[in-house]
Amino acid sequence: GAVVSQHPSRVICKSGTSVKIECRSLDFQATTMFWYRQFPKQSLMLMATSNEGSKATYEQGVEKDKFLINHASLTLSTLTVTSAHPEDSSFYICSALPRDRRTDTQYFGPGTRLTVL
Amino acid sequence: QKEVEQDPGPLSVPEGAIVSLNCTYSNSAFQYFMWYRQYSRKGPELLMYTYSSGNKEDGRFTAQVDKSSKYISLFIRDSQPSDSATYLCAMSKGSASKIIFGSGTRLSIRP
Repeated sequence: GAVVSQHPSRVICKSGTSVKIECRSLDFQATTMFWYRQFPKQSLMLMATSNEGSKATYEQGVEKDKFLINHASLTLSTLTVTSAHPEDSSFYICSALPRDRRTDTQYFGPGTRLTVL
Repeated sequence: QKEVEQDPGPLSVPEGAIVSLNCTYSNSAFQYFMWYRQYSRKGPELLMYTYSSGNKEDGRFTAQVDKSSKYISLFIRDSQPSDSATYLCAMSKGSASKIIFGSGTRLSIRP
């Protein structure tokens, strides 16, 4: 099956620091990856769509300068939370769409729990 | 009005019962309909994927889509304690389009 990994699975940082989260498609290439945020007991909210080799498309209300997305290869996308604050504490989940379109569905990673102190 | 509405629950049923979960939506452009299961502190896992209207069955799970009513359902037969999780409905306009999620229904199966 299609496997997506995220690293780290959990991170705790001090307010004002930057945190990088990696999303990797392990057994397929993905031209498109998505980044979601999920607050406790709430649903997943799309933050941005990342296309390999081009700039990410951000959803309304998501600060692109705060949430930097880089999709440098067909198997890796990174999300960097810059100058993190406690209100950025959340569960961040990525998903990937296979390049070969073996299916039309996105495959989700296991998520990264960010806690900003 | 949210694009996708889902009762957050919680829903508690005894083991072996049939579970019915559902969502309504407002955007008639949605063509792809999914159900995901999410365990606590984990990423969502795709359970069912349906294109347009109709029924789809996979083991104990049956998904139904009624586009005329803008209503989708997930049925779980012979429910097990291991089915206890949050179930998220989701939909999109195209296969590569962004997915809009419901708020999720927390389900608990009592042994």
